[in-house]
Amino acid sequence: NAGVTQTPKFRVLKTGQSMTLLCAQDMNHEYMYWYRQDPGMGLRLIHYSVGEGTTAKGEVPDGYNVSRLKKQNFLLGLESAAPSQTSVYFCASRPRQGVGTGELFFGEGSRLTVL
Amino acid sequence: EDKVVQSPLSLVVHEGDTVTLNCSYEVTNFRSLLWYKQEKKAPTFLFMLTSSGIEKKSGRLSSILDKKELFSILNITATQTGDSAVYLCAVGGNFGNEKLTFGTGTRLTIIP
Repeated sequence: NAGVTQTPKFRVLKTGQSMTLLCAQDMNHEYMYWYRQDPGMGLRLIHYSVGEGTTAKGEVPDGYNVSRLKKQNFLLGLESAAPSQTSVYFCASRPRQGVGTGELFFGEGSRLTVL
Repeated sequence: EDKVVQSPLSLVVHEGDTVTLNCSYEVTNFRSLLWYKQEKKAPTFLFMLTSSGIEKKSGRLSSILDKKELFSILNITATQTGDSAVYLCAVGGNFGNEKLTFGTGTRLTIIP
């Protein structure tokens, strides 16, 4: 069972470079999320999607773009990386909410370093 | 803007002690409150609470929600070194507010 898969798991970038993080889930979930986690900051929501073709901003969206062209994939892009974007990025998904279906399923995380 | 505040930020106790972690929240169209445990990698799910006053229990861990006062507590009894982790609280909304907002977490350290 693959669940939520993030690629790549590690990446080092130079300031100004661009890159895309891919999140893929095989559980047919409607909702997908991108979070970043920094020391002492918990998980902060970057962008999220409630379905194919729709995205919305979270609390820290600046410097990132996302796309959800297929239901199973949620891409996070950095157009011009900055050292402040050094972080661990987590993707998560969940099914559309009915009673008792609010649990998030997380990927293993992607550690990004911007020099 | 949705807000989740956890306290204390960190806690160090001896093995065998009982601990209580707190989570207060403000969220539009509240749907659920979730607790997660994070050790080294991805958070792992503990509980989801949607109704006030109903305790959820799993072994030595239990949690309860108060929707009137907008808070939840997570209790761990007879703590063990394996309970050392960051405990995260998250709240979810509905009806146009489907994002999940996390608190900064409580770092729990259990001393043998």
